[in-house]
Amino acid sequence: EVQLVESGGGLVQPGGSLRLSCAASGFTFNNYDMHWVRQAPGKGLEHVAGIRTDGGSTYYGSSVKGRFTISRDNAKNTLYLQMGSLRAEDMALYYCARRKISAFDIWGRGTMVTVSS
Amino acid sequence: EIVLTQSPGTLSLSPGERATLSCRASQSVSSSYLAWYQQKPGQVPRLLMYGTSNRATGIPDRFSGSGSGTDFTLTISRLEPEDFAVYYCQQYGASTWTFGQGTKVEIK
Repeated sequence: EVQLVESGGGLVQPGGSLRLSCAASGFTFNNYDMHWVRQAPGKGLEHVAGIRTDGGSTYYGSSVKGRFTISRDNAKNTLYLQMGSLRAEDMALYYCARRKISAFDIWGRGTMVTVSS
Repeated sequence: EIVLTQSPGTLSLSPGERATLSCRASQSVSSSYLAWYQQKPGQVPRLLMYGTSNRATGIPDRFSGSGSGTDFTLTISRLEPEDFAVYYCQQYGASTWTFGQGTKVEIK
């Protein structure tokens, strides 16, 4: 079964850091670009970051550029998102998603990040 | 960055009716890079359409997509009870991905 499982979310103070992980299974991880998409409570979807198959190229949404870093470990079939300088507006459910032909065909169930003092 | 504007914000229809959802882009989008997703309350987004008019795996043929340039449409020919949900369009261009704000299809 093709599956993405996120972890690492939690409560963090404004200005703090957090690292999210996404474990992939059921497909050849290193054949796919991978992305993070977030959804604030009651709001729509927002692309956060993306990374090419070999990690050689990364892409960021304008609201997180310079604060977040996406990376991957193909040997461990795992995607990461290092988040820094967190703000209240970063509070959201963070989804890991597989990219296929410029769309996101497989999504994890998400991990919640809460930013509050 | 390309902005996607979806309309209407909410569509109130009855089962069996036809739903027409619009997605307008602030700049031209390649038809190959326009997708649609469905999200039900408490659930993960599900890919419906990619490349404007290609149904994703397992998507019934009552869903269809069309459009080009800056105007794209998702049509549900006859609404089933399970189709009432929020729908998002999404585009890829110049190494950026953006989503529309969503259209809620609710039961009238």
